[in-house]
Amino acid sequence: GNSVTQMEGPVTLSEEAFLTINCTYTATGYPSLFWYVQYPGEGLQLLLKATKADDKGSNKGFEATYRKETTSFHLEKGSVQVSDSAVYFCALSANSGNTPLVFGKGTRLSVIA
Amino acid sequence: DTAVSQTPKYLVTQMGNDKSIKCEQNLGHDTMYWYKQDSKKFLKIMFSYNNKELIINETVPNRFSPKSPDKAHLNLHINSLELGDSAVYFCASSQGGQTIQYFGAGTRLSVL
Repeated sequence: GNSVTQMEGPVTLSEEAFLTINCTYTATGYPSLFWYVQYPGEGLQLLLKATKADDKGSNKGFEATYRKETTSFHLEKGSVQVSDSAVYFCALSANSGNTPLVFGKGTRLSVIA
Repeated sequence: DTAVSQTPKYLVTQMGNDKSIKCEQNLGHDTMYWYKQDSKKFLKIMFSYNNKELIINETVPNRFSPKSPDKAHLNLHINSLELGDSAVYFCASSQGGQTIQYFGAGTRLSVL
């Protein structure tokens, strides 16, 4: 079956540090890949997505590239801010639509000033 | 306007009680979902409805009964609540053929 593995947290960084959160997936076919973010006390928000190999999703300074050869979708940001403190979820969806998301276990990021 | 709204936001109840969580989306989507987030933040699909029809039921106990009166609503009723039901429940929606899902803010259920 489909699955997503992302790095264990928590991750603690100083403001302006470089962020990488690793995500790899196992799937049949060509899934769509997502990063969702959950800020403290809030619901899930879509951060970025990529629907085919070599696509790069980007939003709010975050980027992730769909790498089919390594089945990866690592999240990166060049300079984190305190406001980026949240839990980040990597997820995939089979490309047929109307199928549930399969989530990784989430990575908690804490950014300190 | 909130795209996917859930009520209540918090629900505290005793073991053995029956409770319902409501979800409404104003995005015109035809597919809705319920996910459960456990205490370790792990998110897992429970149910999926397309055009009011149940299409996915992921081995959820029979005590959980989703109901979709129309495409814009998917409610979750839970009978005989147990301690292990304590979690955050998220509703989501998507449009047919599209993979992006939009989530509600979640309902934190605490069973005492």
